[in-house]
Parts: sequence; C-alpha cells; structure tokens
Amino acid sequence: QQQVKQSPQSLIVQKGGISIINCAYENTAFDYFPWYQQFPGKGPALLIAIRPDVSEKKEGRFTISFNKSAKQFSLHIMDSQPGDSATYFCAAREETSGSRLTFGEGTQLTVNP
Amino acid sequence: DAGITQSPRYKITETGRQVTLMCHQTWSHSYMFWYRQDLGHGLRLIYYSAAADITDKGEVPDGYVVSRSKTENFPLTLESATRSQTSVYFCASSEIQGETQYFGPGTRLLVL
Repeated sequence: QQQVKQSPQSLIVQKGGISIINCAYENTAFDYFPWYQQFPGKGPALLIAIRPDVSEKKEGRFTISFNKSAKQFSLHIMDSQPGDSATYFCAAREETSGSRLTFGEGTQLTVNP
Repeated sequence: DAGITQSPRYKITETGRQVTLMCHQTWSHSYMFWYRQDLGHGLRLIYYSAAADITDKGEVPDGYVVSRSKTENFPLTLESATRSQTSVYFCASSEIQGETQYFGPGTRLLVL
C-alpha cells in the first residue's frame, strides 16, 4: 500500500544543472511533506519541508513545489553540485498519526563534475 | 554524546538465529521508530513507539518484536532470522507531535 510514489528511481545531472524529483500521494489527510537527504553510510536527515497551505518553499538552492489539487509535490535542486549526490526521500504525515511518516521509494541522485 | 545511536553497526548471522538490534537516544524523545531500507522500497516502517511501554505495528512487522521499557531505548529483535530480513535497519526518534524524525546511523544486517 504505497501511499507516496516517488520518481525517478535514479537521476544523473551535470554540475550546475537542475535536479527535479517528483512525488505523488493519494491520502488527502496528509498535512506535512518533508524531504530527507541520505548520504552513503549515513541515516537520512531532514532537508526541507512544506505544508499544504503554501505552493512553494525555498531554502537556498533547494525548493519544494506543492500542487494540492494534483496531490503532487516536487524537490528542485538548483545549480546542482557533486556534494548533492545522495539519496533523496519524500515523505508525508497524516495529521492524526502523531509523528509517523510515510516515505517514498527514494531517488539516487548523482551530480557529475 | 547526545544523539541517537545504534548497535551493532554491522551484523552477520545465520538463518534461524535470534538477533537483537539496539537503539538509544539521549533527547528523551517520546516517539521512536524502526525502519528497514531496501533498494526499490525506500524506508518501510517496522514498528514504532509513542512512549515507554506503548508500541504499535508499522507496515512490515512480521518476524520482528520490539519492546520499550525505558524512554531512551528501543530494541528490535528478529526472533528467527530469515534471508529476506537482510537489510539496513534504521532507528529514528522525534518529539511528541514533532515533525522532524532524527535517524541513527543504521545497522547493516546480513542473514546467511
């Protein structure tokens, strides 16, 4: 019962390019949408998050775009750098679930120099 | 040191053996979680706990047992390990109604 679908599974981008990762969800009770970043051999860590009352949130080179009607959200990494090479997970939280998150399948991003 | 730790970091075991993975956090977070990470499946929730002595099943609980007698510890036991349980296991914690989950470094488990 994958409630959050993420694509693509892997992505290769040149340095300076834009990386775009997409997620779609079905559960309209989701009220919080974070993105986690995971480097090899490490645990995931929160990168950026958004609530459905805004359509976009930007933090440095990282931007979340949110389309409530389409039930989709995406992560854009501007001016991608080799240091951004990592696995990215989108996630969603249902308001009544406390702190539980439902994660997407993950995207392995490689930024070539 | 403050934070969330997991032990062991690497474990090799044989089919049928019992294995316990340890998780310890120093923040006194109410919530703790166990995930397994497999290629193509992302992070799947095994069990979670909202407080000491309160645990609940996640998405893939079969074959696993948890306990939480103290707020800071949340061990995960594989009662009779199977090859399909070969995976990377992550523990995480968060404050009550918190939005951010803080992950440990993971335990790589190989079941032969």
